[in-house]
Amino acid sequence: EDKVVQSPLSLVVHEGDTVTLNCSYEVTNFRSLLWYKQEKKAPTFLFMLTSSGIEKKSGRLSSILDKKELFSILNITATQTGDSAVYLCAILTGANSKLTFGKGITLSVRP
Amino acid sequence: EAQVTQNPRYLITVTGKKLTVTCSQNMNHEYMSWYRQDPGLGLRQIYYSMNVEVTDKGDVPEGYKVSRKEKRNFPLILESPSPNQTSLYFCASKRDRESTEAFFGQGTRLTVV
Repeated sequence: EDKVVQSPLSLVVHEGDTVTLNCSYEVTNFRSLLWYKQEKKAPTFLFMLTSSGIEKKSGRLSSILDKKELFSILNITATQTGDSAVYLCAILTGANSKLTFGKGITLSVRP
Repeated sequence: EAQVTQNPRYLITVTGKKLTVTCSQNMNHEYMSWYRQDPGLGLRQIYYSMNVEVTDKGDVPEGYKVSRKEKRNFPLILESPSPNQTSLYFCASKRDRESTEAFFGQGTRLTVV
């Protein structure tokens, strides 16, 4: 059975801090790893990672995948209160193109 | 505007009363799917459809039905809802089986009493 484990489950930081969110996985027929941000509504797409070692960057957010060790990290630098959200990691697998999600990481950024 | 539209956004119903949650996308996407999101369990796939008239079970299909008679619509049907189907439901679509980015609807919060 495919498994996606995110850690920590939740964290609270102050504005300006840097955070690292973790996602590890055990799946068959890996295709891609995706990160989403969810703010009390629909998840919104952040990154898609397919190859090891290639950092994806968007403003203060960056992510990288390690296919040997089966994990990914999402970094957020200089956090802002608007970064408060649930961050979801998902693995795309198989011929049926299934997305398997982790339970999510709740990030709270305090002023 | 490209979007996935779910209706209703909120629904409170009683056990056993059949209901349908609609999902429509305007992006001509082939692939559509339904998820439920529960505290501590994350998003779990209920059903998916790779194209018109092609549907298959996800991880938690029990108590649900779907249909895909036309490309844009993918309704979720609860023939006899039970309290354990109280959840937040998301419909998602993507261009096709090979594409990676999924677009999500705004969610339907269902309460079954």
